[in-house]
Amino acid sequence: NAGVTQTPKFQVLKTGQSMTLQCAQDMNHEYMSWYRQDPGMGLRLIHYSVGAGITDQGEVPNGYNVSRSTTEDFPLRLLSAAPSQTSVYFCASSYWTGQYREQFFGPGTRLTVL
Amino acid sequence: QKEVEQDPGPLSVPEGAIVSLNCTYSNSAFQYFMWYRQYSRKGPELLMYTYSSGNKEDGRFTAQVDKSSKYISLFIRDSQPSDSATYLCAIKIQGAQKLVFGQGTRLTINP
Repeated sequence: NAGVTQTPKFQVLKTGQSMTLQCAQDMNHEYMSWYRQDPGMGLRLIHYSVGAGITDQGEVPNGYNVSRSTTEDFPLRLLSAAPSQTSVYFCASSYWTGQYREQFFGPGTRLTVL
Repeated sequence: QKEVEQDPGPLSVPEGAIVSLNCTYSNSAFQYFMWYRQYSRKGPELLMYTYSSGNKEDGRFTAQVDKSSKYISLFIRDSQPSDSATYLCAIKIQGAQKLVFGQGTRLTINP
């Protein structure tokens, strides 16, 4: 199992550019989510999906779009990049153990917007 | 007021010391409490999970929850340089989808 994979690992964008951060998992998890991590802010939920075709907003969704056409893939789109979107982005997939939801995180994408 | 508060540190202790990491939370509806460990330039990984007030032990790690004070702790005994990482608490309401994370505490264990 590769677990959760994210591409690219690093990206530099200019203000106004758009791009898609890719996320894939091979654990057949229904639940997937995107977080951003900023110094002093912890992890903040951007969007999440409870299954193919179903997505919902998290805590900080503005400026980001998601779609979920398959169980495996959950791409995050930046529509028009802004310097405030400079961050480390983590994708996660999870399953319900019967007692709690165990999340598995990808290695992250480091994004800089100039 | 943030839902979960965690001292970001950094915290630096000598090898073998007992480490105490803490979070406070504001919403009494929170029922699930987790600790994640994040090594530098890696994604977080689940370290411990607790549901109720009291202590839960796993090797050198003990998670403690005090719901009356809205306070959770992670203790690391006989700390090792390999424990150097950022530790994040995460809390969840039963039935809700999202986890609320603390800011993370950066810990360094010095040999």
